[in-house]
Amino acid sequence: SQKIEQNSEALNIQEGKTATLTCNYTNYSPAYLQWYRQDPGRGPVFLLLIRENEKEKRKERLKVTFDTTLKQSLFHITASQPADSATYLCALVSGNTPLVFGKGTRLSVIA
Amino acid sequence: EPEVTQTPSHQVTQMGQEVILRCVPISNHLYFYWYRQILGQKVEFLVSFYNNEISEKSEIFDDQFSVERPDGSNFTLKIRSTKLEDSAMYFCASSRDRDSYEQYFGPGTRLTVT
Repeated sequence: SQKIEQNSEALNIQEGKTATLTCNYTNYSPAYLQWYRQDPGRGPVFLLLIRENEKEKRKERLKVTFDTTLKQSLFHITASQPADSATYLCALVSGNTPLVFGKGTRLSVIA
Repeated sequence: EPEVTQTPSHQVTQMGQEVILRCVPISNHLYFYWYRQILGQKVEFLVSFYNNEISEKSEIFDDQFSVERPDGSNFTLKIRSTKLEDSAMYFCASSRDRDSYEQYFGPGTRLTVT
């Protein structure tokens, strides 16, 4: 069956460290993979999109990698700050499927 | 910066009643979507809409659901006869192009069915 899994429900890290979140998928061939941020009671906010032929994408303190062999994307936040605390969602587009979301990883950055 | 807006922010209704959730997508966007998120669960696709018709819908989007773009700005989701299990956050989203591009989400409507 098709699955998108984000490796942990919650991740706590110290301010200033790099947070690394993982998204694994099974039985999809995604053309695009996206990462969103969601704060409690709010809608997802788009952060980054990476295409299947791209290995890495960066935006300010954010970096996304995409390994179609491992069927995995990694999302990194460098020099993390308490304001980065939120739930981070990965989502993919595969073939004719609409956007499919993972359950998310709740990141807490501790000062 | 343009944003997607949704009204109401919270809707309480009794089981069996009809509800209409409203959205104003970003003005130059062409694709519109509804998603729902049951508390503690993942965001789930309901329907996409382009050129005044449904382009895709999920299994969740059964005959109780309908969408409409009644004028040039609003995009609505109607649930004809609400059930307890329809209680969720409903998010509207829009994008310039099909879901290969980023989608911009509204703040959501919390629907509570009692």
